Order: sequence, then structure tokens, then C-alpha cells
Amino acid sequence: DAGITQSPRHKVTETGTPVTLRCHQTENHRYMYWYRQDPGHGLRLIHYSYGVKDTDKGEVSDGYSVSRSKTEDFLLTLESATSSQTSVYFCAISEVAGEETQYFGPGTRLLVL
Amino acid sequence: AQTVTQSQPEMSVQEAETVTLSCTYDTSESDYYLFWYKQPPSRQMILVIRQEAYKQQNATENRFSVNFQKAAKSFSLKISDSQLGDAAMYFCAYRSGGNKLVFGAGTILRVKS
Repeated sequence: DAGITQSPRHKVTETGTPVTLRCHQTENHRYMYWYRQDPGHGLRLIHYSYGVKDTDKGEVSDGYSVSRSKTEDFLLTLESATSSQTSVYFCAISEVAGEETQYFGPGTRLLVL
Repeated sequence: AQTVTQSQPEMSVQEAETVTLSCTYDTSESDYYLFWYKQPPSRQMILVIRQEAYKQQNATENRFSVNFQKAAKSFSLKISDSQLGDAAMYFCAYRSGGNKLVFGAGTILRVKS
């Protein structure tokens, strides 16, 4: 299994509070991704990173920001959490672009009350 | 934009029997990759099989095989000799030459003993 961890694994927070989710990899892969999973939608890309300090938006980026100061860590921040951001969040990594398969972390379940 | 459609929200199969999960996609590109991921109750996303669009030969991984029909934009997954451990949500996913995976909504597979 690819060395990907996510923290926290579960979080309950209140509307309006900031939340940061962390993805940590030990594979030294260049590309990292954040997805959210909601019923009826599968997984949808929020943001991705193609190197340290290099990030880009995905399909559902509104309300989220990301940062990557080290190869191994990719942070997802909800500046002011809303109930619509209640979801399961997955981090993924891949070594290169193109044909490389993405491997997923264990997920973080976030509940915004 | 590319879309991926899984028209079967839920499927059932008897243990040791064969089941086929359907997936269609929409794209104007000629070079891309297709994937099936399995998500058991643990929520871990597990790669099952992948197919490169330029390859005419259908991919096979042990009991899992695909029927890739490029002209029809169809990518079905066949599971032979179904086992109780195959019970999971299955996601079809598409990726072009870039990094972004587009997922279908998923199919829940139930295996009956």
C-alpha cells in the first residue's frame, strides 16, 4: 500500500470555524490531490498540487484553499466551514502526470454542524 | 467537460457467479485512461484495474476483466467467480493526459452467499 496518511480521520466542527486537514505521504510523489466524496456524486476534485508551492483548482474548489510547503505534506483548509462541506475527504498521490495511477489515503470524515 | 455515467446504482450477484458493472463516458479526446476503483466498507479506495485507451486489448487482473468499447465509449467491469469480499462500492473513473480524475457516481455490489 502507498504510504499515505490523513489527519484527523474524523472531525466534528461548527459552522464558521476554520478547519485544516492534513495529507502526509512517504512515497516522495510529486502530485497530490484532494477530493470530496458525497452520495450520488462519486469523488470530485477540489485542488491538486504538481510540486512544492504549485497548486491548481479542481472541479469544486470554492470555499477551500490548499498549501504545500514540503513534498510530503498537502494541507486542505476550509476558511469558514459550512454545512455543505460535510463530506468525506480523500487525499491521493501520483508519481507523475499522464498514465500514472493515483493512490488514495484512508479518508477523513468531516461533519459541520 | 468529460463525464462518467454508471447507470446501475446497485447490483447483486450470487457467490461464485459472474457479474458485469456498466460504465459509459463522454469525451472528445482520443488518448486517455480508464480505471475501476473498489471502495469496501472501510472506505479505502482500492485500484482494481486500469485501461489505456490506445490499447485494443482488454485489461485483465485475475478474476477482474474489462470490456472496453472505445467507439461506444463504454468500459464495463466483469467480476468472475464472485466472492463475499467483492462486496463494495465500485467507481469507474476517467483521466485524460492531465492529472484530473473524473468519477462516476458508483455502483454498490452485494454478494449473496
